[in-house]
Amino acid sequence: EVQLLESGGGLAQPGGSLRLTCAVSGFTFSSHGMSWVRQAPGKGLEWVSSIVNSGGSTFYADSVKGRFTISRDNSKNTLYLQMNSLRAEDTAVYYCAKGGVFWASDIWGQGTMVTISS
Amino acid sequence: ERVMTQSPGTLSVSPGERATLSCRASQSVNSDLAWYQQKPGQAPRLLIHGASTRATGVPARFSGSGSGTEFTLTISSLQSEDFAVYYCQQYNNWPRTFGQGTKVEIK
Repeated sequence: EVQLLESGGGLAQPGGSLRLTCAVSGFTFSSHGMSWVRQAPGKGLEWVSSIVNSGGSTFYADSVKGRFTISRDNSKNTLYLQMNSLRAEDTAVYYCAKGGVFWASDIWGQGTMVTISS
Repeated sequence: ERVMTQSPGTLSVSPGERATLSCRASQSVNSDLAWYQQKPGQAPRLLIHGASTRATGVPARFSGSGSGTEFTLTISSLQSEDFAVYYCQQYNNWPRTFGQGTKVEIK
């Protein structure tokens, strides 16, 4: 069974940092690009970042560029999102998704909530 | 940036009726267009990719059409489980962009 399990969310202060993790199982992780998509409370979906299967190319939304870093460890079947200089507007559920680099995101995790507040 | 605009914002439909949702891109995205369904408290689910190809396990009552800048998602006969929010997304250009969503509610 294909499974994407996010963790690492929680409460952080403005200016702080969090690292999200997405543990993957059920497919050949190293063969697929991966993405992070977020959803602020009561709002729509916002693409955050994507990474190709090798990790050699990464892509970011302007709203997070320079503050967030996407990475992956293919030996551990794990995707990461390092989030620095956090702002109140980063408050959202963060979803890990398979794909989204060269085509649609076909499998999604259940999400992890990130709340930025003092 | 490709701006994706969905209409209407809310669609009120009776069970068994047909629903037609629209998505417009500010510039061509060819056929690199996906539709997702999201129910409250759940992650999005891929319905359509390549503008018209149903994802695995998606019922045949869901169909997608269009290319370039104009796209449509049609649900031929709404079932109770279809009441949800639907998003379009283009994956032709960076940044990837979503429409604001169309909520399909029970009339």
